[in-house]
Amino acid sequence: NAGVTQTPKFRVLKTGQSMTLLCAQDMNHEYMYWYRQDPGMGLRLIHYSVGEGTTAKGEVPDGYNVSRLKKQNFLLGLESAAPSQTSVYFCASSYPGQGYEQYFGPGTRLTVT
Amino acid sequence: ILNVEQSPQSLHVQEGDSTNFTCSFPSSNFYALHWYRWETAKSPEALFVMTLNGDEKKKGRISATLNTKEGYSYLYIKGSQPEDSATYLCAYNSGGYQKVTFGIGTKLQVIP
Repeated sequence: NAGVTQTPKFRVLKTGQSMTLLCAQDMNHEYMYWYRQDPGMGLRLIHYSVGEGTTAKGEVPDGYNVSRLKKQNFLLGLESAAPSQTSVYFCASSYPGQGYEQYFGPGTRLTVT
Repeated sequence: ILNVEQSPQSLHVQEGDSTNFTCSFPSSNFYALHWYRWETAKSPEALFVMTLNGDEKKKGRISATLNTKEGYSYLYIKGSQPEDSATYLCAYNSGGYQKVTFGIGTKLQVIP
């Protein structure tokens, strides 16, 4: 099993450009999450999904959109990138057992210039 | 927003020393408390998930305890080794909802 994978691993965008980050999991997990990690801030939840076709806002949703068209995939979109969105983005998945233990992907490092 | 606080924020210890960190969280509506180990350039990996007051979990030289009534958990590392160097995150789940709130983490560096 690959677990949770993310593409791309690195990306540099110019202000105003758009992009989509893809997260895929092969563990049949119901729940999926997007976090951003910034120095001194810890992991902050952007959006999450409790099942195929559902999405919900997390702590810092502004400037991002998400879609969960298939159970195994969770997409994070930036419509018009801003320098404040420079960060490392982690996708995670979980299931109801084990207190929603998070299984993380390897991360995507995004720089917006 | 639920407050999950970890202390200290960073820690340097000599190889062979034992150490411990603290995670504090709201004691109301508790569901689960997680500890993750996060090595540089990697992604966080779960160490322990605890759900019951008084839970104690152990994995090798690392152990954790949980007090849900007063809202704290301790992570202990016995005989620290350089490979223990990492950031240790705790995360709190309230009410059984599908999301968790992370603390900022404790960054541990073990000096050979």
